[in-house]
Amino acid sequence: DIQMTQSPSSVSASVGDRVTITCRASQDISNWLAWYHQKPGKAPKLLISAASSLQSGVPSTFSGSASGTDFTLTISSLQPEDFGTYYCQQSKSFPITFGQGTRLEIQ
Amino acid sequence: QVQLQESGPGLVKASETLSLTCSVSGDSVSSGSSYWGWIRQPPGKGLEWIGSIYYSGSAYYDPSLTSRVTISVATSKTQFFLNLRSVTAADTAVYYCARRASSSGWGYDSWGQGILVTVSS
Repeated sequence: DIQMTQSPSSVSASVGDRVTITCRASQDISNWLAWYHQKPGKAPKLLISAASSLQSGVPSTFSGSASGTDFTLTISSLQPEDFGTYYCQQSKSFPITFGQGTRLEIQ
Repeated sequence: QVQLQESGPGLVKASETLSLTCSVSGDSVSSGSSYWGWIRQPPGKGLEWIGSIYYSGSAYYDPSLTSRVTISVATSKTQFFLNLRSVTAADTAVYYCARRASSSGWGYDSWGQGILVTVSS
C-alpha cells in the first residue's frame, strides 16, 4: 500500500496569513494526488486534483504543487471559512489511501 | 448536478452485517467515467477508504477489510450498496458514499452527507 504522510498535524494561523501543508507519498504516485477540505459535521470537499488542478468554484487562494513524492497545498491568504481539516489522497493505485489530516485553526 | 444519499440502519449489533445503500441522482453508476465508493470516518479520526466499484462490476477493497466487505450495484444503476460482515465496535463510524470521476482528475468530487453507524454490543 502507498502511505501518505501529512505535516503538520495541526496549524494555527491568522486571517491573511499564508499557510502550507505538505503530503509525502511512500512511493512514486506521479501527480495522482488530491486535496480535500472538511469542516466539522460535513462531508469532505474536493479542492484540487491531479496535484495542481483547482476544482471549479474553489477560490484561487488555494494552490497545489508537486516535487517528486512531495506535494504541497498552499493557501495564499487565509480566510475565516478556511478552518477545518485538510486531507491528501492518492489515486495512483488501489487501495486508495488518505493522509492522516491537518487541522487548521484560525487564530 | 450529481447527488448521493446514504441510507440504512444507524445501529447494528456486534457480529452482524452492516448494510448501507447509496442512491445516486444526476449520474449513472453504469457510467464508464466514474468509480463509486465508500469511505468511512470513525468519530474524531481521519478518512478511511473502504472500497470502490466500477461500472464493469470490478470491485476494489482495502486489504484490511477485504474478507468482510462487499460493494455491489443495483440493476437499476441508480444505487450501489455496502455490506460489511461481522462488525465490531471498531466499525463505528460515519459512512460516506462518493463518486470519483475522470472529469475531476479522479478525485472524489461528489459525496453523500454521511450516515453515522454505531455498532452496539
